[in-house]
Amino acid sequence: DAKTTQPPSMDCAEGRAANLPCNHSTISGNEYVYWYRQIHSQGPQYIIHGLKNNETNEMASLIITEDRKSSTLILPHATLRDTAVYYCIVRARSLIQGAQKLVFGQGTRLTINP
Amino acid sequence: GAVVSQHPSRVICKSGTSVKIECRSLDFQATTMFWYRQFPKKSLMLMATSNEGSKATYEQGVEKDKFLINHASLTLSTLTVTSAHPEDSSFYICSARGSWGGYTEAFFGQGTRLTVV
Repeated sequence: DAKTTQPPSMDCAEGRAANLPCNHSTISGNEYVYWYRQIHSQGPQYIIHGLKNNETNEMASLIITEDRKSSTLILPHATLRDTAVYYCIVRARSLIQGAQKLVFGQGTRLTINP
Repeated sequence: GAVVSQHPSRVICKSGTSVKIECRSLDFQATTMFWYRQFPKKSLMLMATSNEGSKATYEQGVEKDKFLINHASLTLSTLTVTSAHPEDSSFYICSARGSWGGYTEAFFGQGTRLTVV
């Protein structure tokens, strides 16, 4: 799986949009970009994923650059409960055992300040 | 999203004893389950992948005889830490994925904090 690079930490004011960047310059054509987050002492929570088009759901928006070498996760109106470690993972989608595993990097520790 | 439940959420055991952690998919059939370990202020590290009815595939450096994984049904996988020692103290997290009709996303349990004293 392609490696990703994320800033180790970020701060954002409550109510503002939080923009979390991720670089994945070696991404392959069949690899998707996934975002998960982990609130302290809990299991990771799926947020969103995309291939090349921008995606939006009830939690966030995912903006992928045209060359697919980087992406940005956007939390439109951050709340204190959005404080967590956010992981950007690049992975090919496959039904083959082993190819399905998610490999986590260090992620970005996002702190939402009141 | 789908629900994955881990039990117990927290366990303290004596050194040398074994501890079993359960991971259940509550509203879907999980043909594949993953077990992760996470040390304080570190990222999740994949330990093994298991498919229902077959032996688990362990990541390099993970002792299969120490971390026994059983995936006997489509809704239950267990991780047994045998002869636990203080260095096994960690946060253990399972993840489950179904396979109905195509690709699905992985859902995670809430984790089990193991403390070996």
